Amino acid sequence: DVKVTQSSRYLVKRTGEKVFLECVQDMDHENMFWYRQDPGLGLRLIYFSYDVKMKEKGDIPEGYSVSREKKERFSLILESTSTNQTSMYLCASSLGGANYQPQHFGDGTRLSIL
Amino acid sequence: AQSVAQPEDQVNVAEGNPLTVKCTYSVSGNPYLFWYVQYPNRGLQFLLKYITGDNLVKGSYGFEAEFNKSQTSFHLKKPSALVSDSALYFCAVRGSGGYNKLIFGAGTRLAVHP
Repeated sequence: DVKVTQSSRYLVKRTGEKVFLECVQDMDHENMFWYRQDPGLGLRLIYFSYDVKMKEKGDIPEGYSVSREKKERFSLILESTSTNQTSMYLCASSLGGANYQPQHFGDGTRLSIL
Repeated sequence: AQSVAQPEDQVNVAEGNPLTVKCTYSVSGNPYLFWYVQYPNRGLQFLLKYITGDNLVKGSYGFEAEFNKSQTSFHLKKPSALVSDSALYFCAVRGSGGYNKLIFGAGTRLAVHP
């Protein structure tokens, strides 16, 4: 089974702090994704990556950046947190190419910004 | 633009009764549709997908979904609900531009009562 591991389940930070959310997958997937999940809004794509060092903005990239130095690891960076970034953050991975394979998700990081 | 609508925030059903969770979509071109389930404090789990072929798609845990092109719908069904089916369900459509990006609906909470 594909395993997508997010480094923290819960985080509490203060406004203005820098936050790193880490995600590791073990299935050699080309694509990796970061979403935030908010009640009533579903999942919204922040950034995705289709290869090492390659990244593309999703629908809501403002206030976020990403890093993919190794194929298995995809990091989400919040440079200077604000309270409106309090959310559940979900990482996912999938095979590359136009193969319509499903995405596989980690268990999420619930981030609270005080 | 691709979009997905889940018209019900919550669906209530008695254990043993059939259940339906509704999804409608809007796409340009052929639709590639997915259903995911999310249990409390967990990430999303893939249930099933429609790419092409038979309009009735069977998936995990006894779920199935019916694709209806004329009604642009992809409703999730199960003949006999279990209390353990209580969870948050997301419909998604593959986005344009490749990379297996997904666009998610807002989610429907299913509550199965004993």
